[in-house]
Amino acid sequence: GNSVTQMEGPVTLSEEAFLTINCTYTATGYPSLFWYVQYPGEGLQLLLKATKADDKGSNKGFEATYRKETTSFHLEKGSVQVSDSAVYFCALSLTQGGSEKLVFGKGTKLTVNP
Amino acid sequence: DTGVSQDPRHKITKRGQNVTFRCDPISEHNRLYWYRQTLGQGPEFLTYFQNEAQLEKSRLLSDRFSAERPKGSFSTLEIQRTEQGDSAMYLCASSPGGGQPQHFGDGTRLSIL
Repeated sequence: GNSVTQMEGPVTLSEEAFLTINCTYTATGYPSLFWYVQYPGEGLQLLLKATKADDKGSNKGFEATYRKETTSFHLEKGSVQVSDSAVYFCALSLTQGGSEKLVFGKGTKLTVNP
Repeated sequence: DTGVSQDPRHKITKRGQNVTFRCDPISEHNRLYWYRQTLGQGPEFLTYFQNEAQLEKSRLLSDRFSAERPKGSFSTLEIQRTEQGDSAMYLCASSPGGGQPQHFGDGTRLSIL
């Protein structure tokens, strides 16, 4: 089946530290990959996406590269800010017809201290 | 640009009562999804509509759950005879399909007393 495994949290960093959140996936086809972010009391917001191998998604200083050989899509940011504190979800979707439903990891809670 | 809106934001009810949630998707999106998120977990797929047709349902969607999308616009999710285990955040999302990302509402948090 299709599944996503994320690095267990919580992660606590100081402002301006480097961030990596690991994500690996298992899929029966060729998925699109996503990172979503959830702030307290809110729904999910799309952070970035990649639709094929070697694509790099980027947004707001965050980056992730679709690595087919390692089935990974690790999230990175060079210098985190307090405002980046949130829960981050890695997800996949199979887009070759069908529902394109999202399969999520369990989420990683990030806290950034000033 | 109006996003996905969900109503109510919070619902508290007694065990055994029926509840109904509403989702208004982004107007030009023909695909609508419901997910359930429990504390400390990622969202799990419940069901999917393309226009007014409900095309896929998860095994998580027991026969106490029913969803509709009349006229292919807003959608409702009803839970009958609520149980403690139904306590969760219910998220709605919409997309135009074709591999485009889903956009989420802020969710309805259901608490069963």
